[in-house]
Parts: sequence; C-alpha cells; structure tokens
Amino acid sequence: QSVLTQPPSASGTPGQRVTISCSGGGSNIGSKTINWYQQLPGTAPKLLIYSNDLRPSGVPDRFSGSKSGTSASLAISGLQSEDEADYYCATWDDSLNGPVFGGGTKLTVL
Amino acid sequence: QLQLLESGPGLVKPSETLSLTCAVSGDSINNYYWSWVRQPPGKGLEWVGYIYHNGTTKYSPSLKSRVTISVDTSKSQFSLRLTSVTSADTAMYFCARTVMHRNYYYFYMDVWGRGTTVTVSS
Repeated sequence: QSVLTQPPSASGTPGQRVTISCSGGGSNIGSKTINWYQQLPGTAPKLLIYSNDLRPSGVPDRFSGSKSGTSASLAISGLQSEDEADYYCATWDDSLNGPVFGGGTKLTVL
Repeated sequence: QLQLLESGPGLVKPSETLSLTCAVSGDSINNYYWSWVRQPPGKGLEWVGYIYHNGTTKYSPSLKSRVTISVDTSKSQFSLRLTSVTSADTAMYFCARTVMHRNYYYFYMDVWGRGTTVTVSS
C-alpha cells in the first residue's frame, strides 16, 4: 500500500487531454513539492515534472503539473501514442523520513 | 552529458550480500547526492538510500539495517551493499543523481541509469 495514492490505470485517445491524480497527506504532498516520473516499457524512469510544475529541459509542454493542498495532478494534453507508459508521483515524507512514490498509473493510448 | 551505469552480479544466493556499483561519467560526482532505487518485477519504485560525495548517507528505514552505500570519488563511482538478501530483494536496481533541499522541501532524481537486474535465488 503506497503512501501516495494514484489510480492504477488511465486511458485516452490521440489528441485528448488526460489527467492523473496523486493523493497524499500533510507529511508529504501537503508540505513538500511533488515530482512526476514517466517510465516507458522496459526503460528507466525519467523525470517529467519536478517541484510541482517545472519541466526539465526537453520535456514537451504538453505535460504539466499542479498541486493543491495534499493532492497533485499530472495533465497530458494532445495525447500521443508514445505517451503510453507508467507514471509515478513522488515526494519526500517527513513521517517516514524518506522519499515515497505513488503506486503508479498505467496510461493506455487507445 | 551525465551518464550513469550500474554493474554487478545478476544472481545472488539467499542470505548472501548483494553488491552493485554505479559509474558516473560526463560530470563530476562532487556537489551532488546520489541515490539507489529499486523496482521488483511488475511493481512500483522503492527508494533504497542516498549518499553525498563527502560520504553522508541516508537510508530507507525499512532497509536501514541491511544497507550500506559508499562512494569513491577518485573512481567517480558509488556502491550499494545489501546484506542477508531474500527473494523479496529481487528487483531492477537503478542509480540516479539526486537533487534535494537540505530540509527535503524538494527531492527528486533527475538523471537515471538504465538499471541492472538482480535475482535472488539458490
């Protein structure tokens, strides 16, 4: 059972906008910044969003992040087939004294 | 361009010690934190621990009694030792550069290695 709760799956059609939620508590999302990682099949995770809403160089602006209270969201607009991947939210948790990951959301592009 | 490359035995016997190394190239190992993260087959990500170039470490509370992370700045590499392994330690192990605030207000891993698979089996 992950400290951060994500839906196990999400889906959309090409061109659509999809959002993935991440719910936590005061010791993690509520007091720290949130990050999102994309893991394409058979590859290492890749930092997609950091510090709530910042994109590393090279990440398309189709990807955006937001945070409100103890929840966060990742939005993907103009969905493309290559976006099919697992997405993980992550942040530091003061109670557990370490970083925590969500259980991951498998995004399917129909 | 920073690159990380994990290496180590792919098979470890139960009760023995898992040892992995992460070679850092393309940038200095100094002035950054470096983490190990693992992923059991078909499951999610789990942080194992981090080390700073000066040797400061922090470990996952659930693994703390069995984990040691060390750094060799002269070789630009850092290593993971996990003792008394069981089948639950079977996973893909990733090393990653870690960026963090001293109070952990922000903590993220911005560059990852490709990972190395470790199977615990007799």
